[in-house]
Amino acid sequence: EAGVTQFPSHSVIEKGQTVTLRCDPISGHDNLYWYRRVMGKEIKFLLHFVKESKQDESGMPNNRFLAERTGGTYSTLKVQPAELEDSGVYFCASSHRGLVGYTFGSGTRLTVV
Amino acid sequence: AQSVTQLGSHVSVSEGALVLLRCNYSSSVPPYLFWYVQYPNQGLQLLLKYTSAATLVKGINGFEAEFKKSETSFHLTKPSAHMSDAAEYFCAVSDGGGGFKTIFGAGTRLFVKA
Repeated sequence: EAGVTQFPSHSVIEKGQTVTLRCDPISGHDNLYWYRRVMGKEIKFLLHFVKESKQDESGMPNNRFLAERTGGTYSTLKVQPAELEDSGVYFCASSHRGLVGYTFGSGTRLTVV
Repeated sequence: AQSVTQLGSHVSVSEGALVLLRCNYSSSVPPYLFWYVQYPNQGLQLLLKYTSAATLVKGINGFEAEFKKSETSFHLTKPSAHMSDAAEYFCAVSDGGGGFKTIFGAGTRLFVKA
């Protein structure tokens, strides 16, 4: 089975621009998560979808971040406008309902300059 | 609130030596505990998980971890290190509620010397 796919793998944008990250979870996985690792720090939870519904978005830093999950399939995370502190690696993960533990994508390394 | 502390941001061992990566957790409810590994330029991969069954959990690539409630620890071990084990390792905890939102430790980078 195909794994969790994220793209782009790298993105370099200027402060104030908009960037959209995409995640394709494993087919059939209802749960989809976004996490972020800022350089040198812990991996932090951003939000959790169950199918197309946001289950928990308590980790979203502010309203410059918008996540969607179209039809319960792929998800996008938009940052608008980007700030320097948004730089980091954004991970997507998915899991089947009721199963413990995630399958992670390779991440998107975002650099805001 | 839950938290995870990984002791040592960097650990260096010789090939063939014991690997011991330390993790202590804090949780007000019986926890689910995980170890993930990240190889260079790859995503995190689940090594093993504790889900309240056996306290000694065996994972992939010869790794295992023991849940010790009295010590609130979940240390990761491997009897004999291999060069291919060089990676960053993350201990993580979840309370299982709301879809297994997970708290990660800061990570321990393992170096293996020839």
